[in-house]
Amino acid sequence: AQSVTQPDIHITVSEGASLELRCNYSYGATPYLFWYVQSPGQGLQLLLKYFSGDTLVQGIKGFEAEFKRSQSSFNLRKPSVHWSDAAEYFCAVGRTDYKLSFGAGTTVTVRA
Amino acid sequence: DTAVSQTPKYLVTQMGNDKSIKCEQNLGHDTMYWYKQDSKKFLKIMFSYNNKELIINETVPNRFSPKSPDKAHLNLHINSLELGDSAVYFCASSQDSNSPLHFGNGTRLTVT
Repeated sequence: AQSVTQPDIHITVSEGASLELRCNYSYGATPYLFWYVQSPGQGLQLLLKYFSGDTLVQGIKGFEAEFKRSQSSFNLRKPSVHWSDAAEYFCAVGRTDYKLSFGAGTTVTVRA
Repeated sequence: DTAVSQTPKYLVTQMGNDKSIKCEQNLGHDTMYWYKQDSKKFLKIMFSYNNKELIINETVPNRFSPKSPDKAHLNLHINSLELGDSAVYFCASSQDSNSPLHFGNGTRLTVT
């Protein structure tokens, strides 16, 4: 069975500093990987996805993620965070049977 | 122009009652889902319909009954509500099995 681990429950970062959120997955085949963001009281919004090809993928809001097969990781990064980036971030792994598995999420707090 | 809309946004009810949550998507997607987000923000799939056919039913109590009158709508009816049903329920849709999910803004259900 596939699984997703987000080791960091909560990260606090200063505005303007860089951010990296970790995601590790367990899956037997090539996974479909996603990062979603959830702002308070909102649904989840897709930041970026990886299906195949270039292992560095660019997403919305200045985010990027790098797929590393050897480490089973798909870490999310942003060079300079804004106060509006404070939210809950979810990594997810999918396969072809419509079942998307989500990690437990990482809460990002941005301090001024 | 909301892509995935669900109603109501908040639902407060007493144990033993029956309630429904409605979801509609205007993206032309073939597949719709119900996810449950618990108090720890963990997301778990409950049901999925593809072209009105149930394709995922993840060990959900049979007090929960989804209904899809057409591929743009997926409703969730819950009988005999219990305290443990309190959660945020998200509707989502996707074009196919490995496409990203588009989420509604959630329905916060509180059972007292």
